[in-house]
Amino acid sequence: RKEVEQDPGPFNVPEGATVAFNCTYSNSASQSFFWYRQDCRKEPKLLMSVYSSGNEDGRFTAQLNRASQYISLLIRDSKLSDSATYLCVVNTNTGNQFYFGTGTSLTVIP
Amino acid sequence: DGGITQSPKYLFRKEGQNVTLSCEQNLNHDAMYWYRQDPGQGLRLIYYSQIVNDFQKGDIAEGYSVSREKKESFPLTVTSAQKNPTAFYLCASAERGAKNIQYFGAGTRLSVL
Repeated sequence: RKEVEQDPGPFNVPEGATVAFNCTYSNSASQSFFWYRQDCRKEPKLLMSVYSSGNEDGRFTAQLNRASQYISLLIRDSKLSDSATYLCVVNTNTGNQFYFGTGTSLTVIP
Repeated sequence: DGGITQSPKYLFRKEGQNVTLSCEQNLNHDAMYWYRQDPGQGLRLIYYSQIVNDFQKGDIAEGYSVSREKKESFPLTVTSAQKNPTAFYLCASAERGAKNIQYFGAGTRLSVL
């Protein structure tokens, strides 16, 4: 079983739409959770960390459900510039290894 | 400017040749990582290092080697034993401890001639 699983998509949504991505993780001892954004042929960049209480940054909201072992990312009022691949990342802190999902592809259509 | 520098940006390898990818960071991070990404796929861990003079194999270490002689530097050698080296190679670093965040270099694209 993979450490982190994501729906690869693709998600094609119109501008202004709300879109949600989910990610599940297998290790209940996982401590740190993140969403990264990766543009085509570029390196991943941190979008936001995910905290137990949930957190929001502008149009982006991340939530963590430890009981069900999943993380979500909600994007409201989608912009064309949101088109990218979104990577779910989990760290167990033991050995300081990061586990990546395969990414979810989002295309925002005019 | 603080960050992670990878070089070269593009690299071509001839058959049977070893090549070395450079990764330097000035973030004072203890941990450094090498990943490989193939088209349309996720990141796969090659090697990682938690501290100077120590490193661990990741999921796909065969055909690769690393060294960690300095905190700032974590070079990756792609040896001739790696039969399918064409990929996008990403170096990252992170602080140790809870809530640590991983930062990436801009990557090196390796192709076989």
